[in-house]
Amino acid sequence: AQSVTQPDIHITVSEGASLELRCNYSYGATPYLFWYVQSPGQGLQLLLKYFSGDTLVQGIKGFEAEFKRSQSSFNLRKPSVHWSDAAEYFCAVGDRSSASKIIFGSGTRLSIRP
Amino acid sequence: SQTIHQWPATLVQPVGSPLSLECTVEGTSNPNLYWYRQAAGRGLQLLFYSVGIGQISSEVPQNLSASRPQDRQFILSSKKLLLSDSGFYLCAWSGRSGEKLFFGSGTQLSVL
Repeated sequence: AQSVTQPDIHITVSEGASLELRCNYSYGATPYLFWYVQSPGQGLQLLLKYFSGDTLVQGIKGFEAEFKRSQSSFNLRKPSVHWSDAAEYFCAVGDRSSASKIIFGSGTRLSIRP
Repeated sequence: SQTIHQWPATLVQPVGSPLSLECTVEGTSNPNLYWYRQAAGRGLQLLFYSVGIGQISSEVPQNLSASRPQDRQFILSSKKLLLSDSGFYLCAWSGRSGEKLFFGSGTQLSVL
């Protein structure tokens, strides 16, 4: 069965600093991988996804993520964070065989220090 | 364009009462449909998903059930609510390839 772990519950970074949010998954093969963001009072928005091909994926709002099969990881990065990036970030894993079962991690809350 | 409707937005129910949350999708056909529950510190927990009418997969044994009586309608139910059923419930849909989830606005359920 697939599962996803986000080891960091809460991270605080200074505005303008770089960011990396960790995500590790467990799955028998190469899964579909996603990052979603939930801003305060708003719904979930897809940042980026990996299905196949280039393991470095570019998303919206300047985010990128790299799929590393050897480490079972799909970490989210941004070179310079903005105050508006403060939100909850969720990594998700999709079942490639059924394309319908999508499991989310417990989330990482990002705070931005002025 | 596709839209997803979920209601009610908030609900306060006594322990032991029944529950029915409804979700409908417009502008697409044969969607995959999902119910998630979001609790603090636990992320989004997949409760049920459906790939077609009458086809329901349950992820977590619990006090809840789901039904899909029509192609674009997904209902979350309970015969008797427990305190532990409190939470924020999100309905979502995706295309057949599962490339992207589109979420409803959610229902905040408080069981007292």
